Order: sequence, then C-alpha cells, then structure tokens
Amino acid sequence: QKEVEQNSGPLSVPEGAIASLNCTYSDRGSQSFFWYRQYSGKSPELIMSIYSNGDKEDGRFTAQLNKASQYVSLLIRDSQPSDSATYLCAVIKAAGNKLTFGGGTRVLVKP
Amino acid sequence: DTGVSQDPRHKITKRGQNVTFRCDPISEHNRLYWYRQTLGQGPEFLTYFQNEAQLEKSRLLSDRFSAERPKGSFSTLEIQRTEQGDSAMYLCASSSPLNPGLQEQFFGPGTRLTVL
Repeated sequence: QKEVEQNSGPLSVPEGAIASLNCTYSDRGSQSFFWYRQYSGKSPELIMSIYSNGDKEDGRFTAQLNKASQYVSLLIRDSQPSDSATYLCAVIKAAGNKLTFGGGTRVLVKP
Repeated sequence: DTGVSQDPRHKITKRGQNVTFRCDPISEHNRLYWYRQTLGQGPEFLTYFQNEAQLEKSRLLSDRFSAERPKGSFSTLEIQRTEQGDSAMYLCASSSPLNPGLQEQFFGPGTRLTVL
C-alpha cells in the first residue's frame, strides 16, 4: 500500500462544473495536508493547506479533511480550462518535516 | 522575484560525468528541501536542511549524491558518476521559520537533468 494514494485520472470535467479529487493516506499520525497544482513541465505550486478536520475554502478551491477516515479531498468549483493540470496530494507525517506525495490526479477541463 | 530559484534549469550530461545544481531559497526561509520527480510520479524526498545542518537524508540519496548548505543560505546538490536512472526533475523547496506549525513548502522551478 502506497503511503499516499490518488486516482491517476484523467478526470474529465466540463467547463463550469465541479471537479472532485480524492486522496487517502496510510499514516494515521499525519498532521499536515497539502494540495499542489502542477502544469506539464513545471514545478508544483501550493494551492491549499489544511491541518484540522473539516472544510477550508479559498476562492474556487475547497479542501476537506477527515482524519478518522484518513482522506483529504479537493473541490474545484466553476472549473476553467486553465485548471487543467495534475493535482498532487501531499502529507507530512507526525513529527516529520518532509512531504510525502501521491502520484497525482490529472484533470482535464473541457470547454 | 522573491521565490525559490534554481540553476541551471536544464542540464544534459553524459553518463559518468558529475553535475552540480544550485538552489536559492526564499529570503529568510531557514528550511530547505530537495526532491526528485520522474515522469508520471509525485516528487520524492531526498534531503532536508535546517539552516546549515542536514537533518534528514532519504535512502534514495546514494553515496553518489551529496548536498550542502554551507552558510545556511543557498544549497548545492551534486551527483557524481551520473547514471541514466538519475534523469529526472530535481526540485528544491523552502519553508519559513515564522510559522513552523504550518510547514508550507514552496518549490522552485526545478532543474531537469537528462543523462545520455
């Protein structure tokens, strides 16, 4: 079992719709959770961080964390073609500092 | 531009050659990280510095790899006797001491290494 798992996709979403991305992690002691966006050939860009159970909203993005079920999700509302990218889920385990990444979910927003 | 910078952006080398990459973190960020990313995979942790101290190294960092951060500012990553399997994007990230609980890491543009 991978430490951080994501569906590789592609997740195809019509323009204007909601994209829903999921991520599960194996270390129950994980304490910090992040979503990065990565365009092809570019480096990861931090878009959301979440540390406690519940929802966190930032613009069109909402991150949801459920530590009991060990999953974190990302919702992208009003999806735009510019949102087409790979979205990486990353966690920091208890008492750690390094990011452990999932393999990423590729999102395609079709006009 | 006050973001993380990396140099060079691209490096093509022949198998067996040594290469060195440089990373300049965001000003006043005391934590610096190196990751490696191959096509279709998420980044994998290589090593981590807090100021000039190298605090953690991954088992991925074989004895051909060495990283330094001599003055607690910029860092270098050297790969000796490169192999084709070293071809990857090498990413540097930094994080701030001001909010250690947040642990947000910001990435530079990366150095893409191709070993022929």
